[in-house]
Amino acid sequence: DAGVIQSPRHEVTEMGQEVTLRCKPISGHNSLFWYRQTMMRGLELLIYFNNNVPIDDSGMPEDRFSAKMPNASFSTLKIQPSEPRDSAVYFCASSGTSGPYNEQFFGPGTRLTVL
Amino acid sequence: GDSVTQMEGPVTLSEEAFLTINCTYTATGYPSLFWYVQYPGEGLQLLLKATKADDKGSNKGFEATYRKETTSFHLEKGSVQVSDSAVYFCALSASGGYQKVTFGIGTKLQVIP
Repeated sequence: DAGVIQSPRHEVTEMGQEVTLRCKPISGHNSLFWYRQTMMRGLELLIYFNNNVPIDDSGMPEDRFSAKMPNASFSTLKIQPSEPRDSAVYFCASSGTSGPYNEQFFGPGTRLTVL
Repeated sequence: GDSVTQMEGPVTLSEEAFLTINCTYTATGYPSLFWYVQYPGEGLQLLLKATKADDKGSNKGFEATYRKETTSFHLEKGSVQVSDSAVYFCALSASGGYQKVTFGIGTKLQVIP
């Protein structure tokens, strides 16, 4: 299995631009998570989906952030308009229901820099 | 709500030293407990896990025991190597419900030769 795939790996954009991050979870997994990691705030859960349905989006910072999961193999996190304070590493993770352990498998992350 | 408290780093050790990273948790029911590791420039990956009281998780020389009486899950390794330098996250997953995992803040470990 290729693991969780994220694209792009690096994104540099200017303030005010729209940014779209993409994630392909591990095949067969039914839960998907978006995290943001910064030095100041550590690892923050933004939103998670179960069976393509958003379950908890309380971590989404503000209305500029939106996430979708149109099918079991694809999710996007969009920031519009982007701001310098959005600069961070964004991780996508997925997990399945094959056992009780709820292990999450993380992608390599997207490093976002907003100038 | 559920929470995980772990010691703040950074922790700097010499090679072959003994490692302990403390972790305590607050949760209802009987959560599963995890240690994840993040190497520089990579995503998190599961290091070890324990799913019930007194279970010991182990991997790559690391160990942690699920202590329900003290609500702790401390990470230990008898002899660290330079290659163990990374950030370590304690985490829990509450029993039942959806598969949400609550992570601690992470502890950075630096091992010097």
